[in-house]
Amino acid sequence: TQLLEQSPQFLSIQEGENLTVYCNSSSVFSSLQWYRQEPGEGPVLLVTVVTGGEVKKLKRLTFQFGDARKDSSLHITAAQPGDTGLYLCAGARSGTASKLTFGTGTRLQVTL
Amino acid sequence: SAVISQKPSRDICQRGTSLTIQCQVDSQVTMMFWYRQQPGQSLTLIATANQGSEATYESGFVIDKFPISRPNLTFSTLTVSNMSPEDSSIYLCSATGTGGWMADTQYFGPGTRLTVL
Repeated sequence: TQLLEQSPQFLSIQEGENLTVYCNSSSVFSSLQWYRQEPGEGPVLLVTVVTGGEVKKLKRLTFQFGDARKDSSLHITAAQPGDTGLYLCAGARSGTASKLTFGTGTRLQVTL
Repeated sequence: SAVISQKPSRDICQRGTSLTIQCQVDSQVTMMFWYRQQPGQSLTLIATANQGSEATYESGFVIDKFPISRPNLTFSTLTVSNMSPEDSSIYLCSATGTGGWMADTQYFGPGTRLTVL
């Protein structure tokens, strides 16, 4: 059972457009992380959010953790071809020794 | 940040054989994990590699099929035993710690792409 559902599954946009990726669950997480993975490589951590309602910005990327700590979103402003990749959210629960549950993934393609 | 390496990076194996994948971290870590990923899809946790004790397996994964070792704080191996084409996948290791730059986050190796004929 996949506990973290991401939407959309696939997104193809042109350079300069904005986009939002959603990560939803019925479970509460103590923290939530976002990763980006490129072909042939392992996922690379972008950000960790731990407080309900928290908003973090990383250049053109804005991450938000839901108030109830069940959902999160990733917003990219003015997408660039270098943003292309597989975006994965991952949640950790209290008392699970850092074990992560990964989302279903969103594949983003940004074209010129 | 730490560097996590895996060997081999890819392999093509015959049905019925076994392959051992190595994962090396360049600093001591608390937790190490092994995942499986179909190309373009999400990650599924196979097991937690425990230093000095048996690995903890997730539902659907068993020790006889995926024996794991972790002899020290920087190294782990995953063996895929008696392989079948259904085992073709990318296998990733990750590591995390409880303090400093690795506090409660996971860092991943580049993965091992396995094809079973």
